[in-house]
Amino acid sequence: DAGVIQSPRHEVTEMGQEVTLRCKPISGHNSLFWYRQTMMRGLELLIYFNNNVPIDDSGMPEDRFSAKMPNASFSTLKIQPSEPRDSAVYFCASSLKGWTEAFFGQGTRLTVV
Amino acid sequence: AQSVTQLGSHVSVSEGALVLLRCNYSSSVPPYLFWYVQYPNQGLQLLLKYTSAATLVKGINGFEAEFKKSETSFHLTKPSAHMSDAAEYFCAVNRAQKLVFGQGTRLTINP
Repeated sequence: DAGVIQSPRHEVTEMGQEVTLRCKPISGHNSLFWYRQTMMRGLELLIYFNNNVPIDDSGMPEDRFSAKMPNASFSTLKIQPSEPRDSAVYFCASSLKGWTEAFFGQGTRLTVV
Repeated sequence: AQSVTQLGSHVSVSEGALVLLRCNYSSSVPPYLFWYVQYPNQGLQLLLKYTSAATLVKGINGFEAEFKKSETSFHLTKPSAHMSDAAEYFCAVNRAQKLVFGQGTRLTINP
């Protein structure tokens, strides 16, 4: 298996623009997680899905952030409009079941200027 | 609520020396515990996991961790550090079907 695949690896955008991050989880995994990593806050869980259904989005910082999982093999995290403080590395991870280990993608480094 | 605390944001050891990275957890029920490693510009990679079987867990790259319920600890060790072990290490606990991570410990290896 190719593992969790995220795209793009790097994204530089101007403040106010819409940003869409993409994730393909490992085939057969039922849970998908979006994390954000910054120096100040460390690793924060933004949202997670179980069987394509959002279970907990309490970590989503603002209404500017939204996530979808239209099917078992694809998820998006959208920021609209983006702001400089959104600059971070965003990770997608998937697990076979919610309580087992999660496998991480390589991350998307987002820079908002 | 379940959480983890990693003691020491930075640890520095000499090549060949013992590596000890500390993690304490708080949990009202037997937890599932994990150690992950993150190399620069990479995602997190699972080192090892504890799922209530053997209390001494062996992982990849010569690392191991011991679950001690009496001390609520899950410290990560490696007998002899290698330069390639330089990375950031995260302890995590499973809480309500999601992983909650500690703040991470950056390990530096001195030649």
